[in-house]
Amino acid sequence: QTVLTQPPSVSAAPGQKVTISCFGSSSNIGNNYVSWYQHFPGTAPKLLIYDNDKRPSGIPDRFSGSKSGTSATLVITGLQTGEEADYYCGTWDSSLSALVFGGGTKLTVL
Amino acid sequence: QVQLQESGPGLVKPSETLSLTCTVSGYSISSGYYWGWIRQPPGKGLEWIGSIFHSGTTYYNPSLKSRVTMSVDTSKNQFSLELTSVTAADTAVFYCARVVGWQHLPDYMAVWGKGATVIVSS
Repeated sequence: QTVLTQPPSVSAAPGQKVTISCFGSSSNIGNNYVSWYQHFPGTAPKLLIYDNDKRPSGIPDRFSGSKSGTSATLVITGLQTGEEADYYCGTWDSSLSALVFGGGTKLTVL
Repeated sequence: QVQLQESGPGLVKPSETLSLTCTVSGYSISSGYYWGWIRQPPGKGLEWIGSIFHSGTTYYNPSLKSRVTMSVDTSKNQFSLELTSVTAADTAVFYCARVVGWQHLPDYMAVWGKGATVIVSS
């Protein structure tokens, strides 16, 4: 049972927009920063978004993040077939005193 | 740029201790940041194991805390993970990462190693 809840899968056509949600609580998302990671199986995960809505250098602005209350959202616009991967949200949980991840969302680009 | 590389035995027997080392290049561990370990069991999601500050302060996942020890060796620019009393449930890909902190706590994993597969089996 993961602390953060993500949809197991989402899909969209190339060029379209997809939204991935991440639901938590006041002990985690509600009072801490959220980060997002892209993970192609067998490779190193990559940081996409940190501090809710900031992009590291080199991450295209097609990737954006936001947070509202106890939920966070990753939006990918102009989808590309090469972006089929697993996407994870993460944050610090003050009650658990632990970094926690969502269960991951598998993105399929149809 | 900073790079991280995990190393260690790929096979560990049940009840024994899993030991992994992460070698950091392109950045001196003693200069700052947290350093962390994350694992992914087969078919499952990411799980944070723990993080260690360059000074040695540690934060461990409460579910693993009784079995985990992390350490830093600044002379070798490495940090390490020990997980005791392993079972098949500890079989996973283990990643090391450079962790950015916020308000004196680990916040997000900025740079990741490629991962090392560890299988627990007799």
